[in-house]
Amino acid sequence: NAGVTQTPKFRILKIGQSMTLQCTQDMNHNYMYWYRQDPGMGLKLIYYSVGAGITDKGEVPNGYNVSRSTTEDFPLRLELAAPSQTSVYFCASSPTISGANVLTFGAGSRLTVL
Amino acid sequence: KQEVTQIPAALSVPEGENLVLNCSFTDSAIYNLQWFRQDPGKGLTSLLLIQSSQREQTSGRLNASLDKSSGRSTLYIAASQPGDSATYLCAVIAGSSNTGKLIFGQGTTLQVKP
Repeated sequence: NAGVTQTPKFRILKIGQSMTLQCTQDMNHNYMYWYRQDPGMGLKLIYYSVGAGITDKGEVPNGYNVSRSTTEDFPLRLELAAPSQTSVYFCASSPTISGANVLTFGAGSRLTVL
Repeated sequence: KQEVTQIPAALSVPEGENLVLNCSFTDSAIYNLQWFRQDPGKGLTSLLLIQSSQREQTSGRLNASLDKSSGRSTLYIAASQPGDSATYLCAVIAGSSNTGKLIFGQGTTLQVKP
């Protein structure tokens, strides 16, 4: 059981380039999330999804886009990379269990924009 | 706006010592609170989840308490070991419903010296 898989693990982008961070989970979880973590800081929610075809903005959505065409996949797209998007990105998922919301995280994708 | 704070940012203790990590939040209206562990270069692992109606949760040498009225949670680690060295983050889901949207503190980096 792989859990939450993120690719790539590392990436360097030039300013203005675009890329997609991939996230796949094999636990049939309905909820999926994208967070970013800046050095010495906690995680901040970028986007989330409560099921296939449904996405919504989190705390810091500007400069990002997401889609959720299947239950398994939740890619995060950066359209015009900026230095402020240098960060570590984490994807997470959780089941829709009433009264509990334990998250399973991926290992992270470290992005540097130069 | 809900804010989560963890003090201190870093803590170093000798092996075998009992220790307490602190987490405070500004709004007592929370759905639940979670404690996570993050090892360097890795994703987050959920340690304990406390529902808003609960006062504490225990798992092995870990005990987490919740005092909503004062906006505080503590993570107690008994008989610390070098393997406990990691960053510990707390996070809350604000409000009365399970939105799944976690608000994180900055984390406390713990070093347990042999």
